[in-house]
Amino acid sequence: GAVVSQHPSRVICKSGTSVKIECRSLDFQATTMFWYRQFPKQSLMLMATSNEGSKATYEQGVEKDKFLINHASLTLSTLTVTSAHPEDSSFYICSAMGGWGTEAFFGQGTRLTVV
Amino acid sequence: KQEVTQIPAALSVPEGENLVLNCSFTDSAIYNLQWFRQDPGKGLTSLLLIQSSQREQTSGRLNASLDKSSGRSTLYIAASQPGDSATYLCAVRPNTGTASKLTFGTGTRLQVTL
Repeated sequence: GAVVSQHPSRVICKSGTSVKIECRSLDFQATTMFWYRQFPKQSLMLMATSNEGSKATYEQGVEKDKFLINHASLTLSTLTVTSAHPEDSSFYICSAMGGWGTEAFFGQGTRLTVV
Repeated sequence: KQEVTQIPAALSVPEGENLVLNCSFTDSAIYNLQWFRQDPGKGLTSLLLIQSSQREQTSGRLNASLDKSSGRSTLYIAASQPGDSATYLCAVRPNTGTASKLTFGTGTRLQVTL
């Protein structure tokens, strides 16, 4: 299958700082990328959907000013957690699709710990 | 609102057994259904994708079936191995709208013992 690379895999940051997570589609052009958050032993919770060149669509309850998403090219989307707090500690996963209805491929995930 | 349920939540089987994981969804208006595997602390690996017009898909020891009208899918794993131990997630995509968002089930945690 296609490859989606997510970086970093782990990050520890101090409260109040910002953290950027990158998601790249390595061998296909991703018209749509999705960002998920996963709590321990729970399923994935969709945070936002981003289409290349346009603003992200956030799910209800997700603060768009706190979780900044940029999808500047067909192969790269970034999620920036701004002014991070310990409650933002979680596992974040990105997903990419080459076109509507096509197979979704996922990154390896990023374990964020805010201390 | 689409709801996806997976049964059982956890399963432990001895190596070599064949097993079936179940996925049910409440809204049959789906475009496709995808099965994933997730290892602890890792992302998701796509296993099989079934389009709404298809009845089943096979890949190696895995076979996924889809009965859209009854809102069910099964993932059959033949001759299970310890390396199959992981959490298995199913997800459905609606056939309407432009967001193409997946709705995930809660997963089945599988352990294959020696």
